[in-house]
Amino acid sequence: RKEVEQDPGPFNVPEGATVAFNCTYSNSASQSFFWYRQDCRKEPKLLMSVYSSGNEDGRFTAQLNRASQYISLLIRDSKLSDSATYLCVVTGTGGTSYGKLTFGQGTILTVHP
Amino acid sequence: GAVVSQHPSWVICKSGTSVKIECRSLDFQATTMFWYRQFPKQSLMLMATSNEGSKATYEQGVEKDKFLINHASLTLSTLTVTSAHPEDSSFYICSARPPRPGLAGVPSYNEQFFGPGTRLTVL
Repeated sequence: RKEVEQDPGPFNVPEGATVAFNCTYSNSASQSFFWYRQDCRKEPKLLMSVYSSGNEDGRFTAQLNRASQYISLLIRDSKLSDSATYLCVVTGTGGTSYGKLTFGQGTILTVHP
Repeated sequence: GAVVSQHPSWVICKSGTSVKIECRSLDFQATTMFWYRQFPKQSLMLMATSNEGSKATYEQGVEKDKFLINHASLTLSTLTVTSAHPEDSSFYICSARPPRPGLAGVPSYNEQFFGPGTRLTVL
């Protein structure tokens, strides 16, 4: 089983749509959780951190359910510029895993006019 | 914000040659840098953790004699792909952990800034 699993998509949605991505992780002791965005042939960029209480940044809402080991990202009012690959990322717990980022395979989103 | 650069941004080389990729933290000192590799349509895979002044820690399955890492200063780590072959063609990305706010020299636990990547093509 992969450490971080995502539905690879692709998700094709019209502008203005709401789209949700899901992610599960296998290590129950994982410490920190993030969503990164990666544009084609570019480096990943941090989109937002994910907290158990849930957090929102404009049109983006992230949720973490530690009991289910499940992370979600909701994008409202999709824009063409949201088209990218969204990476679910988890950090290690300590020891040799200290500070290491483990990436999911990514979910491809294409927003069309 | 913290800036990480990589050089070169792309390189094409013949099979059997060695290629060196540089990763620099431009406005902060990084005691730890990470090297990733990304094949087409796949996610980033951590290759190794580069620690300033000490040996790199390699992930399982990554050949340390093929991928030489040197972290000679607090702002520079290099990855050398020795005797490159076509299967080494990939997108190589480094990242660096900035210091924790107010604690120079103590790396942030989970924040990493990524370089723009180096696309290596081995013919």
